[in-house]
Amino acid sequence: AQRVTQPEKLLSVFKGAPVELKCNYSYSGSPELFWYVQYSRQRLQLLLRHISRESIKGFTADLNKGETSFHLKKPFAQEEDSAMYYCALSGSRLTFGEGTQLTVNP
Amino acid sequence: EAEVAQSPRYKITEKSQAVAFWCDPISGHATLYWYRQILGQGPELLVQFQDESVVDDSQLPKDRFSAERLKGVDSTLKIQPAELGDSAMYLCASSPSSGGYNEQFFGPGTRLTVL
Repeated sequence: AQRVTQPEKLLSVFKGAPVELKCNYSYSGSPELFWYVQYSRQRLQLLLRHISRESIKGFTADLNKGETSFHLKKPFAQEEDSAMYYCALSGSRLTFGEGTQLTVNP
Repeated sequence: EAEVAQSPRYKITEKSQAVAFWCDPISGHATLYWYRQILGQGPELLVQFQDESVVDDSQLPKDRFSAERLKGVDSTLKIQPAELGDSAMYLCASSPSSGGYNEQFFGPGTRLTVL
């Protein structure tokens, strides 16, 4: 069975502070991991995927197979980063975590 | 820019009634997905189509839910009869193919309330 855990439902930081959204997964095969984001009144959209090893909007995520984690990080949070973030694992199907609501305060 | 379309955006119904949701994927996308998202949770896959064929409906409550994509383009998800526990957001997504690395493009969703 595949499972994604996001331990924080809510995360609040101040503008300019570093932010880390945690994601842990359980999967017996080789994982394909994603971060999706939903801004207020917008549709769910892809933020980044681990295979691309890219930085999007200043966010990066590194796959750590030893710790089965795929945490999302940004060194300096901006107010426009406030959104709901979902970690997702593609195994037999795309499985989402429960999401973390990030609020960046001015 | 092409987007996934869904209708209606909101639906209120009484339990035991039938409801139907429609999805039009991005043109050319062979794979179509229906998800259910209960408040406070992440989306959960209900059914996946590759063209007109169902490739995964293991999470679909088949006693009351049905889905079709007759011509391999748009799709309909039906619930009959609706139950109180079906209240949720129903999301449609599409991707160019079924490969695991493919980005899924989501529609705006249909919010269903069952009274």
